[in-house]
Amino acid sequence: ETGVTQSPTHLIKTRGQQVTLRCSSQSGHNTVSWYQQALGQGPQFIFQYYREEENGRGNFPPRFSGLQFPNYSSELNVNALELDDSALYLCASSLRQDGDEQYFGPGTRLTVT
Amino acid sequence: KNQVEQSPQSLIILEGKNCTLQCNYTVSPFSNLRWYKQDTGRGPVSLTIMTFSENTKSNGRYTATLDADTKQSSLHITASQLSDSASYICVVIPSGGYNKLIFGAGTRLAVHP
Repeated sequence: ETGVTQSPTHLIKTRGQQVTLRCSSQSGHNTVSWYQQALGQGPQFIFQYYREEENGRGNFPPRFSGLQFPNYSSELNVNALELDDSALYLCASSLRQDGDEQYFGPGTRLTVT
Repeated sequence: KNQVEQSPQSLIILEGKNCTLQCNYTVSPFSNLRWYKQDTGRGPVSLTIMTFSENTKSNGRYTATLDADTKQSSLHITASQLSDSASYICVVIPSGGYNKLIFGAGTRLAVHP
């Protein structure tokens, strides 16, 4: 176990709804990165938060947004859900934002119907 | 075109046998290359991390090699065990892009008794 936890484990939403996914980073880690992993594919980088500020973003539309709290836990929010948003959402925490080893949580499986 | 290509897409071997997984990448320049193991429905777990100047890195029965000239890496698994059944993902971190890990799609390995 990496010490990174995510909630919920599974989630089913309908198209157009909004969803919030949560991640608790490993103790002492101030950086959290979020990834989307479609079935049979490798994870795709969504964005990273370092000390409560967004620190880089992948090719995802603005309806994907995030937040990091003073305790370095993080949320991923997705508005106006689309069927293609169905995926495993992974968060990873690291001690620093500069390429340090990332420790992944177990993921949240989101299904959009 | 994917910047990190892995082959084969899937592989079945018998317990106790060795296997080699391949990773070709176009990301350049890069700071390091990593191999992760991902069990079904779980987050990836780091196996090896190699900087661009390293040729090989071992972690128990796992040995990764890197040829920066040909932009190829391989992961060799010796004396496979049933617990090795998982997806193995090659990840490249671009220089200066520490927060943007580029993942391959993975090789799905099944070890049969």
